Amino acid sequence: EPEVTQTPSHQVTQMGQEVILRCVPISNHLYFYWYRQILGQKVEFLVSFYNNEISEKSEIFDDQFSVERPDGSNFTLKIRSTKLEDSAMYFCASRPDRLEQYFGPGTRLTVT
Amino acid sequence: AQTVTQSQPEMSVQEAETVTLSCTYDTSESNYYLFWYKQPPSRQMILVIRQEAYKQQNATENRFSVNFQKAAKSFSLKISDSQLGDTAMYFCAFMKRTSGTYKYIFGTGTRLKVLA
Repeated sequence: EPEVTQTPSHQVTQMGQEVILRCVPISNHLYFYWYRQILGQKVEFLVSFYNNEISEKSEIFDDQFSVERPDGSNFTLKIRSTKLEDSAMYFCASRPDRLEQYFGPGTRLTVT
Repeated sequence: AQTVTQSQPEMSVQEAETVTLSCTYDTSESNYYLFWYKQPPSRQMILVIRQEAYKQQNATENRFSVNFQKAAKSFSLKISDSQLGDTAMYFCAFMKRTSGTYKYIFGTGTRLKVLA
């Protein structure tokens, strides 16, 4: 069964550095999402992406964040200048033209 | 704004027993969906069960069933005949039916351990 994959599984970076988190959604899916979970807190919506543009973003998704689908298969989340508070688990999800989202295993980002 | 609350951070249950995970939510919407997702250790979240708010009948999927109380804004998950493979983090999630992006609003999760 097709799955959403994410790389890397764990990323350690220094404060102020740029990171790119990568996701490969399921191939026939149309809608793409990023969520994050700070340790011990809720899973929070960051951004949704459809038809090569952002369809909705949360308050968390400020100017330091960006998303793109550069080659029709990957879906990336870039954080330009990481902060300590960006340390979290980042989940990618995709869905076809139905409601249920399919999640990747997550990337644990640690900012030191 | 919608909120989802899972008041049980951790639970345990003996194999073959029944366990109920609680979830409450707050919304002014009348049309929405509710979901339970399971996240096994080091694995991705997978959908367990879904409930449409306009349906009065509680959803069931094999050993998993929900008790949906719309007036009380409660959506609990019952796992019958618990198995070791049910050990996981369980997330309750809300989705507005009218939302164009169909994003989820999650609770903080309940860590369930099934004991042999």
